[in-house]
Order: sequence, then C-alpha cells, then structure tokens
Amino acid sequence: QQQVKQSPQSLIVQKGGISIINCAYENTAFDYFPWYQQFPGKGPALLIAIRPDVSEKKEGRFTISFNKSAKQFSLHIMDSQPGDSATYFCAASLVGAGGTSYGKLTFGQGTILTVHP
Amino acid sequence: DTGVSQDPRHKITKRGQNVTFRCDPISEHNRLYWYRQTLGQGPEFLTYFQNEAQLEKSRLLSDRFSAERPKGSFSTLEIQRTEQGDSAMYLCASSQTSGSLYEQYFGPGTRLTVT
Repeated sequence: QQQVKQSPQSLIVQKGGISIINCAYENTAFDYFPWYQQFPGKGPALLIAIRPDVSEKKEGRFTISFNKSAKQFSLHIMDSQPGDSATYFCAASLVGAGGTSYGKLTFGQGTILTVHP
Repeated sequence: DTGVSQDPRHKITKRGQNVTFRCDPISEHNRLYWYRQTLGQGPEFLTYFQNEAQLEKSRLLSDRFSAERPKGSFSTLEIQRTEQGDSAMYLCASSQTSGSLYEQYFGPGTRLTVT
C-alpha cells in the first residue's frame, strides 16, 4: 500500500522560476512531514520539515505548505537555481507525545527536478 | 566529519555469497535506521534500533537479512545467500529521541550489486 503519493515524477524549471512538488498521504496518524534532497550517488539530505500544527514553514528559498484537511503538503522552491537540480522526496512519520519519534519514515516515489540555466 | 558514515560505499558480489555492511551513526544519536533504495524509488524502511534494542522490522526484511547493534553504537546489516533482487542502495540513518529532535540524518549509502 502506497501511503505517500508524490507528483510530478519529473519537473523542468527555468533558473529563477518556482518549483512546486506535491505529496498526498493516507494515514491520518502521520504528524511529521520532512522533505529530503538527494544528489546522484549520495544519501538523502534533510531539507525542511513540518508538523501539522502549522500550515506553512519557510526556510530560505524553501517553503512547505500543509493542508491537514486535504491530507496534502507541498514543497515550493523559490528562485530555483541549477544547483537545486536533484531528486526530492517527501516523507511522513508518526511522532508521539512529547515529540518522541515512533521511527520509520514512509517516503514518496521522488521527483527529479532539473533547473535550466 | 560528525555525520553518519557507512562502509563499504560499493560492494559487488556473486549470487549466493554473504555480505555485511557497517553503519556508524552520529555519536549522540540513540536511534539507528536501515533503509533500502532501488533505482528510481524512494527509500523503504527495513529496521531500526533504539540503543541496542531492535524495535521494528519490516516485512521486506526476509530471514536472509539480519541486523545488529551490539553496543548501541555502530550497526551491521548482513545479507546471506544474496540474490540479484538484493541489488540496491542500503542507507543508514540516525536520530535522537529527546525533546523534538526526531529528524533522521542519512549516510552516503552502500551500493550493492549482485551478479
């Protein structure tokens, strides 16, 4: 069962444009939603994460928008740069009382982002 | 460098051989996770440890796979009687459990090729 669905599979953006990647989840018990960036041959790197008590979180050029009722969240990359070209993964996990993680991350299928100069 | 490290980075083995991978987590992290990633897919959870206790195993972890974390520090993942379907990137991640510090940080992975 695919619990986190990510779209699009690939995305091409011009330098300076906005990249938008969407994810939808099924398990309403998920309450921690990170985004990871992965370059070829490397492990995923944590980019930004959100808990459902807020609808938006911004860190530099990266913003997560969260819609709890729709069970959707998205990553926006403003002023996209060629160096942002990578594969992006959304993920979801459970976090218990007191902020203790229940463990495993469930990942989306990934989005290959290409930013043309 | 205080990040997660994995060894080896690449492993080529023949079908039927046993292989073992090592992961060294960030030193103050008490949780350690193993994931498997095949080409074009997101990482899939295999198992995780809190200190030396193995708390959860995925159904993906067949009886040919075994993981250990004997002293609550580094971990090993062993695959016995490798099959071609085991070819993948094996990723290790670590995290804390205190307070709100539950972010998982990944290592560079071990790419396994079974011929």
